[in-house]
Amino acid sequence: GDSVTQMEGPVTLSEEAFLTINCTYTATGYPSLFWYVQYPGEGLQLLLKATKADDKGSNKGFEATYRKETTSFHLEKGSVQVSDSAVYFCALRRGASGGSYIPTFGRGTSLIVHP
Amino acid sequence: NAGVTQTPKFQVLKTGQSMTLQCAQDMNHEYMSWYRQDPGMGLRLIHYSVGAGITDQGEVPNGYNVSRSTTEDFPLRLLSAAPSQTSVYFCASSTQIWNTEAFFGQGTRLTVV
Repeated sequence: GDSVTQMEGPVTLSEEAFLTINCTYTATGYPSLFWYVQYPGEGLQLLLKATKADDKGSNKGFEATYRKETTSFHLEKGSVQVSDSAVYFCALRRGASGGSYIPTFGRGTSLIVHP
Repeated sequence: NAGVTQTPKFQVLKTGQSMTLQCAQDMNHEYMSWYRQDPGMGLRLIHYSVGAGITDQGEVPNGYNVSRSTTEDFPLRLLSAAPSQTSVYFCASSTQIWNTEAFFGQGTRLTVV
């Protein structure tokens, strides 16, 4: 079945440091890939997405590139802020004939940014 | 624009009690799902629905029931609460279009004592 694997956290960084959160996936066909962010006490919200190979999703300084050859969708940000402290989830949705599927989520990676 | 609305936000139950977590969406989404979030376990799918009248089990369905009588509503019922069901519960909805994102409610924090 489909699966998403994320690096375990927490990831602890100082403000203005470079961020990478690794995500790899297993799915048949060509899924869409997503990064969601969950701030403390809130639900998940979409951060960015990419729907085909070599697409780059970007939002709020975060970027991720859909790499079909390595089945990866790593999240990066050049300079993190304290306000980026949150839990980040990688997810996929697989399209298929006859309909599409409920999203599959990774376990989440907690990011803590210190001033 | 309400999106996905979950009620209640917090709940404390005694072991053996039953209750229903409510979820409603106003985006006319076909797909709705329930997840539980536990420390170190990420999001685990409990039940989901691909349309009114159609439901199916997810990864951790035991102890929970669902029904989908309308497109808008997808309640989650705990039949006889157990301490192992202490968790944060999220409802999500999405269209059937495969390259679109899911929309989440704010969550219900449930404690079973």
